[in-house]
Amino acid sequence: DAGVIQSPRHEVTEMGQEVTLRCKPISGHDYLFWYRQTMMRGLELLIYFNNNVPIDDSGMPEDRFSAKMPNASFSTLKIQPSEPRDSAVYFCASSWGLAGKETQYFGPGTRLLVL
Amino acid sequence: AQSVAQPEDQVNVAEGNPLTVKCTYSVSGNPYLFWYVQYPNRGLQFLLKYITGDNLVKGSYGFEAEFNKSQTSFHLKKPSALVSDSALYFCAVRDSLSYNTDKLIFGTGTRLQVFP
Repeated sequence: DAGVIQSPRHEVTEMGQEVTLRCKPISGHDYLFWYRQTMMRGLELLIYFNNNVPIDDSGMPEDRFSAKMPNASFSTLKIQPSEPRDSAVYFCASSWGLAGKETQYFGPGTRLLVL
Repeated sequence: AQSVAQPEDQVNVAEGNPLTVKCTYSVSGNPYLFWYVQYPNRGLQFLLKYITGDNLVKGSYGFEAEFNKSQTSFHLKKPSALVSDSALYFCAVRDSLSYNTDKLIFGTGTRLQVFP
């Protein structure tokens, strides 16, 4: 298996633009997580899905952020409009089974810079 | 509420020496505990986990961790450090009583620097 795939790997955009991050989880995994990593705040869970259904989005910072999982093999995280404080590395992770017990497999991340 | 603490931002150790990266936790029930490692410009990689059973857990790359319930700790250890072990290490916990959530709580990370 290729592991969790994220695209793009790097994104540079200007403030106010829409940004879409993409994730393909490991085939057969039923949980998908979106995290954000910054120096100031560390690793934060934004939202997670189970069987394509959003379960907990309490970590989504504000309405500018939205996430979807239209099928078991694809998820998006959208920021509209983007702001400089959204600059971070965004990770997608997936797991199978009860997520709190099972290993999460992380993608390589998308490094986002908002100017 | 569940929480996890990594009291050291950075740990420095000479190659060949034993290393310890500390982690303490707070949960209401029994903890599920994990260690992950992050190399530069990479995603997190799983090292080991404790769910139940033997308190000493062995993981990847020669790492091990000991679950200590009385001290609510889950320190990561390795008998002999390698320069290639230099990375950012994260401890994570989930409370077994957290029935309404499957999310892990991650610590702030400890940067391990192994010097030749």
